[in-house]
Amino acid sequence: NAGVTQTPKFRILKIGQSMTLQCTQDMNHNYMYWYRQDPGMGLKLIYYSVGAGITDKGEVPNGYNVSRSTTEDFPLRLELAAPSQTSVYFCASSWGTDQPQHFGDGTRLSIL
Amino acid sequence: TQLLEQSPQFLSIQEGENLTVYCNSSSVFSSLQWYRQEPGEGPVLLVTVVTGGEVKKLKRLTFQFGDARKDSSLHITAAQPGDTGLYLCAGGAGGSNTGKLIFGQGTTLQVKP
Repeated sequence: NAGVTQTPKFRILKIGQSMTLQCTQDMNHNYMYWYRQDPGMGLKLIYYSVGAGITDKGEVPNGYNVSRSTTEDFPLRLELAAPSQTSVYFCASSWGTDQPQHFGDGTRLSIL
Repeated sequence: TQLLEQSPQFLSIQEGENLTVYCNSSSVFSSLQWYRQEPGEGPVLLVTVVTGGEVKKLKRLTFQFGDARKDSSLHITAAQPGDTGLYLCAGGAGGSNTGKLIFGQGTTLQVKP
């Protein structure tokens, strides 16, 4: 019963490097989300998708990009890593409006 | 912009005490969800309330949605060390058909044995 799987769990990047955070879900959910969580700040929405081929910006999209080629996968890309992007990143999915979101265990990213 | 304010941000109590966490907004939400998050893991849903005035109970946890659907509370009776964690409230925008949630800042609860 995998649910939402995120890889990697931890990563250290140098300023200016790029990387892709992977997210896959096996629940056939149409809706998927990327959040970042900083201490005392709750969860901030970066990007979201309501289905394959459809993505849209959330509250804090700058410095990030996403794609959604399949229902299962929703990768998040950082093109030019900056120290301000040091955070814990969570991917989530749900099957509809006002429905529970199912979260992965997060990717802890440090940019030095 | 819809905002959810949670209070308190941090709570440290002794085992057996009662506590209440509040989640307030000036906006109306179609639903209010409460999540619990443990260190190193993602948030896990505790409950969803959708009707103004609704009260739901989950063992020693009682959740209430305000009559105007702008606020919610979580009350824990006789807290136990196993209740320790980060509690997050999240409001649903409903009519947007995106499933987006607005999260509060979270309440970190520490229950000492």
